[in-house]
Amino acid sequence: SYDLTQPPSVSVSPGQTASITCSGDTLGRRRAYWYQQRPGQSPLLVIYEDSKRPSGIPERFSGSKSGNTATLTISGTQAVDEADYYCQAWHTTGVFGGGTMLTVL
Amino acid sequence: QVQLQESGPGLVKPSQTLSLTCTVSGGSISSGSYYWNWIRQPAGKGLEWIGRIYATGSTSYNPSLKTRVTISVDTSKNQFSLNLSSVTAADTAVYYCARSPPTYTGYDYYFDYWGQGTLVTVSS
Repeated sequence: SYDLTQPPSVSVSPGQTASITCSGDTLGRRRAYWYQQRPGQSPLLVIYEDSKRPSGIPERFSGSKSGNTATLTISGTQAVDEADYYCQAWHTTGVFGGGTMLTVL
Repeated sequence: QVQLQESGPGLVKPSQTLSLTCTVSGGSISSGSYYWNWIRQPAGKGLEWIGRIYATGSTSYNPSLKTRVTISVDTSKNQFSLNLSSVTAADTAVYYCARSPPTYTGYDYYFDYWGQGTLVTVSS
């Protein structure tokens, strides 16, 4: 099976930059997607096709990819950004990373 | 604005079949080149893709669940459904339905609209 690896947790101070990575074999040949999931809520798409931001997503969210590692970056992190973040790719089936809990403290 | 809403029993007995329906509003399930997906999330754990269906009825499933999963579509009702047979406690999860838009690559699918999710508990 195809695996995407994320760090279980990332901590950041308010106003600082948070970076969450997602690694997977051949991810460099696929598009990476990122979802935010606040407690008790459905996942929300925040980045698609590696680096594009859907309408309504704040500009502080950005995505990039280098080789087989995709990165979600949140600049000027706010308390409201505290959530779980999942990366996702398609490898004949939908595949999600294990998720990263972002703590803003 | 497309909206998806899951519905179905919140409690299913072990060995029985879990059945859920996703009702799509704000757009026709038959229009556009969209796929319609089921995704689940056990409490405190990550997301798992279950499978998807196209309006024509074409399906694909997660290999880990393939022998137990059936996804069907009813375009007249603008709904698609999930059946998961022979359930165990390991199938207890929040089940989401979600839409996949067409992509320019033709294979990098993702999920742009999600339902609110419905908790299904497997217990006697």
